[in-house]
Amino acid sequence: EVQLVESGGGLIQPGGSLRLSCAASGLTVGSNYMSWVRQAPGKGLQWLSVIYSDGRTYYADSLRGRFTISRDDLKNTVSLQVNTVRAEDTAVYYCVTQSLYWGQGTLVTVSS
Amino acid sequence: EIVMTQSPAILSVSPGERATLSCRASQNIHSNLAWYQQKPGQPPRLLIFGASTRATGIPARFSGSGSGTEFTLTISRLEPEDFAVYYCQQYYNWPPWTFGQGTKVEIK
Repeated sequence: EVQLVESGGGLIQPGGSLRLSCAASGLTVGSNYMSWVRQAPGKGLQWLSVIYSDGRTYYADSLRGRFTISRDDLKNTVSLQVNTVRAEDTAVYYCVTQSLYWGQGTLVTVSS
Repeated sequence: EIVMTQSPAILSVSPGERATLSCRASQNIHSNLAWYQQKPGQPPRLLIFGASTRATGIPARFSGSGSGTEFTLTISRLEPEDFAVYYCQQYYNWPPWTFGQGTKVEIK
């Protein structure tokens, strides 16, 4: 059974940085494309980033270089580094693969 | 970037009735469309991919149709557990994935 478990969310002050992680079981992250999608409270879904099995990475244009996706094949995890956070980054962040498998999400709240 | 537009924003339907949800793409995406269902506090669940193929375990009352720029998700007879928000998503020209803004199916 495939499971994706996100961690690293919480309350963070504007301007700070955070690192979200997604631990996978039942699949090998290095053999799949892994994405991050977020959902602001009461809002729709926003795709953020993807890392392919060959290591290529892509980001939504709106992220303006503040986000970095990476992968640790030994730990079978995918991470999303978010810098200079803003109030509008407040959202549930989901790890997704193959469109089919979604984690339960981790909530990030940006507030002073 | 391909823009996905869903209609209506809210659909009020009685249990047992048919629900028809629409999704329009700003350009031709062929059949590269997925539908998701999301309930409060849960992640989205994949219902349909390839515009019309049901994902594993999805009941036959869910059906998808369309190609090009116009797509439809039909729920033939609404069950109580079907009241949720539904999103369409294109994966023809990605990255990025782009999602519609969602249609909330509520109890009439």
